[in-house]
Amino acid sequence: KQEVTQIPAALSVPEGENLVLNCSFTDSAIYNLQWFRQDPGKGLTSLLLIQSSQREQTSGRLNASLDKSSGRSTLYIAASQPGDSATYLCAVYGGGFKTIFGAGTRLFVKA
Amino acid sequence: GAGVSQTPSNKVTEKGKYVELRCDPISGHTALYWYRQSLGQGPEFLIYFQGTGAADDSGLPNDRFFAVRPEGSVSTLKIQRTERGDSAVYLCASSQLAADTQYFGPGTRLTVL
Repeated sequence: KQEVTQIPAALSVPEGENLVLNCSFTDSAIYNLQWFRQDPGKGLTSLLLIQSSQREQTSGRLNASLDKSSGRSTLYIAASQPGDSATYLCAVYGGGFKTIFGAGTRLFVKA
Repeated sequence: GAGVSQTPSNKVTEKGKYVELRCDPISGHTALYWYRQSLGQGPEFLIYFQGTGAADDSGLPNDRFFAVRPEGSVSTLKIQRTERGDSAVYLCASSQLAADTQYFGPGTRLTVL
């Protein structure tokens, strides 16, 4: 059974800092991994999707990497801003069409 | 459409009642997912539709939960004999094809009193 763990559960950083969010999964048989952002009381916004054959994806200040063999992904956020404050969720898409989410990392960027 | 929409945004009901939650996916998206999210947790998979058929309903917690997508577009999640433990935010997502980027709606917050 696939399990997804995100560390840390919460993170507070000063504005301008570079930071790394971690995601680990127990079953390496995945099709892709997706990172989402969720603002309080809102739905999820897709940030990056990495196919199982890829090693990383970049969008603006965001870079996501995937190491399928070790069951790990990281989301790197460069030059953090207060507007980056949100909960970041990773999700793995594997067999049977299920998408399994981690519990998320709550990020607070202080101005 | 511009995005995934869900109605109602909030639903308060009494224990034992029946509720229907609606999801309107992005036009042309064949894949549709329902999730349930409790406070402080990530979304929990409930059911996946490919077109009109439920390709994977293994996440539905019990037979009080049922979902349909009769014309391959709008989907309705139906909950019978609601219980207080059903209280959560119910999220819907769609994607062009299975395994593509999923686009989420704003969710329906269900409260069972």
